[in-house]
Amino acid sequence: GAVVSQHPSRVICKSGTSVKIECRSLDFQATTMFWYRQFPKQSLMLMATSNEGSKATYEQGVEKDKFLINHASLTLSTLTVTSAHPEDSSFYICSAPGLALKTQYFGPGTRLLVL
Amino acid sequence: GNSVTQMEGPVTLSEEAFLTINCTYTATGYPSLFWYVQYPGEGLQLLLKATKADDKGSNKGFEATYRKETTSFHLEKGSVQVSDSAVYFCALSLIAGGTSYGKLTFGQGTILTVHP
Repeated sequence: GAVVSQHPSRVICKSGTSVKIECRSLDFQATTMFWYRQFPKQSLMLMATSNEGSKATYEQGVEKDKFLINHASLTLSTLTVTSAHPEDSSFYICSAPGLALKTQYFGPGTRLLVL
Repeated sequence: GNSVTQMEGPVTLSEEAFLTINCTYTATGYPSLFWYVQYPGEGLQLLLKATKADDKGSNKGFEATYRKETTSFHLEKGSVQVSDSAVYFCALSLIAGGTSYGKLTFGQGTILTVHP
């Protein structure tokens, strides 16, 4: 079946640095991908919709200059957390719709820890 | 706004026990309802779904019925197995165009552990 991968699976960085997270659809094309954030013991919150060939659409309250999204190709979307701070530590998950948009395929997530 | 509330976990059961994970929702409009499962080290996978009131979604022995009158979508399984140990997420989506299946509102997840 369809697979979505994320890289890295976990990352530790110093405060003030930027971190890039990749989301790839491995055997299908995705003109749209979605980025979610999950805090411990809380639900996944949609951050933004990544659109191939155009700007990402951000959910209310999400800083677009903080969380840069680039949908470079039909199989790759990247999320860059700029000038990361400890409060950005979280679990980031991407997803991509399958054919006919009937379901979503999720990546395994990336654990970010900012020291 | 839209929201999903799941029963808090973790839930620990013995093999062959009956499972219920409660899920209730609030939504503007007529949502589709989903249960996703996340096995250790893997991404979320769709377990089952229901798109209108009184629909019953079922898969792998799990089932859930879309109850509009109680705004609920409780997950049940008659006899759990050790391999069912995972995190279960209830979610909703409002149909509003082709990409609506991406805009999911999730519950907080329930950790299920099944012992032999």
